[in-house]
Amino acid sequence: DGGITQSPKYLFRKEGQNVTLSCEQNLNHDAMYWYRQDPGQGLRLIYYSQIVNDFQKGDIAEGYSVSREKKESFPLTVTSAQKNPTAFYLCASSIRVSGGSNQPQHFGDGTRLSIL
Amino acid sequence: EDQVTQSPEALRLQEGESSSLNCSYTVSGLRGLFWYRQDPGKGPEFLFTLYSAGEEKEKERLKATLTKKESFLHITAPKPEDSATYLCAVQLTNSGGYQKVTFGIGTKLQVIP
Repeated sequence: DGGITQSPKYLFRKEGQNVTLSCEQNLNHDAMYWYRQDPGQGLRLIYYSQIVNDFQKGDIAEGYSVSREKKESFPLTVTSAQKNPTAFYLCASSIRVSGGSNQPQHFGDGTRLSIL
Repeated sequence: EDQVTQSPEALRLQEGESSSLNCSYTVSGLRGLFWYRQDPGKGPEFLFTLYSAGEEKEKERLKATLTKKESFLHITAPKPEDSATYLCAVQLTNSGGYQKVTFGIGTKLQVIP
């Protein structure tokens, strides 16, 4: 079955440490996204990528970095510069929008990041 | 500022008691509205896309409708397995293939047997 796989499900970060969250999709989607979900807030966009080797900052990119070397993969690194990293991180993908068509984003099951 | 507001924040229903969830938006250039269901500890699951005022979509006990200012998710005779958080999201622009999507906070629905 096609879908989006995020790993690990739970992750703990020590002070000053960078951690990387994995996101893999086999839906053949061009566009991929990273969101952060906090209690009492809507999903907030961190980074997005419309095509391999290209990505753009979202609304809250500070303290995060990404890469898009393969169509299937869009890993997110939470750096030590992100002072409040505790959150539920969601990866999504969609058909690349063109010609006015609007396609929904499909999500993985998330990674919960906590501070040790 | 573009905003998406969902109400109520939480809703508790008896099994079989029908009700509606609301998603109101103040955005310019709406391209589409999406409804998702999210279970605890899971990612959102896509339910519906609505594109224009007057459009309706149905799936089992759920029916989504859209007007120029808001969308409703109607739940008919809900069952305990319908308990979840329901998220609304609006797609605002379509520049260069990127779909900017703004999410509401969600309505947490609990259906009591």
